[in-house]
Amino acid sequence: NSKVIQTPRYLVKGQGQKAKMRCIPEKGHPVVFWYQQNKNNEFKFLINFQNQEVLQQIDMTEKRFSAECPSNSPCSLEIQSSEAGDSALYLCASSQPGQGSEVFFGKGTRLTVV
Amino acid sequence: GDSVTQTEGLVTLTKGLPVMLNCTYQTTYSPFLFWYVQHLNEAPKLLLKSSTDNKRTEHQGFYATLHKSSSSFHLQKSSVQLSDSALYFCALRPNNYAQGLTFGLGTRVSVFP
Repeated sequence: NSKVIQTPRYLVKGQGQKAKMRCIPEKGHPVVFWYQQNKNNEFKFLINFQNQEVLQQIDMTEKRFSAECPSNSPCSLEIQSSEAGDSALYLCASSQPGQGSEVFFGKGTRLTVV
Repeated sequence: GDSVTQTEGLVTLTKGLPVMLNCTYQTTYSPFLFWYVQHLNEAPKLLLKSSTDNKRTEHQGFYATLHKSSSSFHLQKSSVQLSDSALYFCALRPNNYAQGLTFGLGTRVSVFP
């Protein structure tokens, strides 16, 4: 069973609305990732953290997406103004540092923007 | 930038037959290669990983060998089961681990009785 917990599993928002999803990484994992998986099952990296600090993020994330991973609280990803093209499965993942460390994924939050 | 290519979008086969899913990659750096499996409505889960050239790695009946000379990490199984029906993703992680995983487009495997 996945030890990365994502909530909610399903989220429906209107265009222009905020959409917020949360993630509890596996205990002891300092590295957290957010990916977007589209309807064609393609993965797109959004942002990642190590110990609450942003390591990398893509341009899209910098503009409409915001994310944080505060200590002792769930990580979150928020879309400020949802667009139809944001409809996708948002996957949170965590790992130990290190190139060969297994990346553990949550089951995702499926966002539908209507 | 890094890239992973999976040539088959869909593989359909009968239970008991062998399967091979192709994976090739491009990276400037020494990579770690992974195979993840994603069943319907489930989280992607690690199946195999390797960074060692020409060494076969196995798990749950699946096996793969990283060949750096051909930049390949093909996934194989000798006899598929119905429960192997899923999405399979090849991914690489460069030695700058902060970049996370770069995924291929995935191969859907459908196994029929």
